[in-house]
Amino acid sequence: AQSVTQPDIHITVSEGASLELRCNYSYGATPYLFWYVQSPGQGLQLLLKYFSGDTLVQGIKGFEAEFKRSQSSFNLRKPSVHWSDAAEYFCAVFNQAGTALIFGKGTTLSVSS
Amino acid sequence: KAGVTQTPRYLIKTRGQQVTLSCSPISGHRSVSWYQQTPGQGLQFLFEYFSETQRNKGNFPGRFSGRQFSNSRSEMNVSTLELGDSALYLCASSLGQKDYEQYFGPGTRLTVT
Repeated sequence: AQSVTQPDIHITVSEGASLELRCNYSYGATPYLFWYVQSPGQGLQLLLKYFSGDTLVQGIKGFEAEFKRSQSSFNLRKPSVHWSDAAEYFCAVFNQAGTALIFGKGTTLSVSS
Repeated sequence: KAGVTQTPRYLIKTRGQQVTLSCSPISGHRSVSWYQQTPGQGLQFLFEYFSETQRNKGNFPGRFSGRQFSNSRSEMNVSTLELGDSALYLCASSLGQKDYEQYFGPGTRLTVT
């Protein structure tokens, strides 16, 4: 069965420091992968997606993610974190039909000054 | 373009009652998906509609139902509410094919007392 694992429940990063959020997936074929961000009381905003092609994808707000098939990973990175990046981040994969997203449990990012 | 809108934003209901939530997708989007978000279970897929037809359904009891209208607007209904139905209900719209991402609304916060 398809699944997504985000090993880190909570991460704290100093403002200006780099960030990497981990995501591992289980999927038989080529996955369609996503990262979403959720601020408190809000819906989900799409940061970036990977469907095929270049394994390093750029997203909004200075985020990027790298797809590594050999490691079944799709980690999210940002070179310099801002206080406004504090939020919950979700990694997700489409089901085979492309009709439903399967989400990880999320990683809460705190930013310290 | 206007984003996905959901009404109402907040609801308080009593156990045993029923509730209807509404979702208006982005103009031109024919697919609407519903997700339930709770602290314990995370984000879980409820069902997806495309051109008024349910294409996929998650693992939820029959008390959860939905429908989609010819203008792509969607409603979900929960009958005989239980305390455990308290959650944030998120709606997402897309063009409905696997190469297209889902865009989320702000959600409806349902509290069952």
